[in-house]
Amino acid sequence: KQEVTQIPAALSVPEGENLVLNCSFTDSAIYNLQWFRQDPGKGLTSLLLIQSSQREQTSGRLNASLDKSSGRSTLYIAASQPGDSATYLCAVISGNTGKLIFGQGTTLQVKP
Amino acid sequence: KAGVTQTPRYLIKTRGQQVTLSCSPISGHRSVSWYQQTPGQGLQFLFEYFSETQRNKGNFPGRFSGRQFSNSRSEMNVSTLELGDSALYLCASSLTGTADNEQFFGPGTRLTVL
Repeated sequence: KQEVTQIPAALSVPEGENLVLNCSFTDSAIYNLQWFRQDPGKGLTSLLLIQSSQREQTSGRLNASLDKSSGRSTLYIAASQPGDSATYLCAVISGNTGKLIFGQGTTLQVKP
Repeated sequence: KAGVTQTPRYLIKTRGQQVTLSCSPISGHRSVSWYQQTPGQGLQFLFEYFSETQRNKGNFPGRFSGRQFSNSRSEMNVSTLELGDSALYLCASSLTGTADNEQFFGPGTRLTVL
């Protein structure tokens, strides 16, 4: 059974700091991995999708990497801003279906 | 291009009642998935519909059901509501629902069961 873990559960950093969020999964046979952002009480916003054949994806100040063999993904946020404060969720798809398996998320606070 | 829309945004019901939630996917998307989010269990997969057929189902009791219409809009129904059904219900749409598709979520419906 696929399990997804995100560490740390919460993170507080000063504005301008570069930071890394971690995601690990128990079964390396994944099809893809997707990172989301969730603001309090809101839905999920897709940040990056990494296909199993890819090693990383970049969008603006965000860079996500994927290492299937070790069962890990990282989301790198450069030059963090207070507007980046949110919960970040990673999710994997193991079978050839659309079913996402989520981690519990990392709640990020960026202090001005 | 309009995003995923969900109605209503908020619902308050009492135990034993039933509720219907609606989701309209992004235009052109044919797959709709439903998720339940609670503080204790996080995000859990309910079911997925494609071309009016349920393709995948999560581990939820039969009180949770859904359907999809020919225009890809989907509804989710919960019967005989329990306190534990209080949650944020999210739907996601994608082109075909296969593993290589990026999924896009709606704003969710917040259900409170009293």
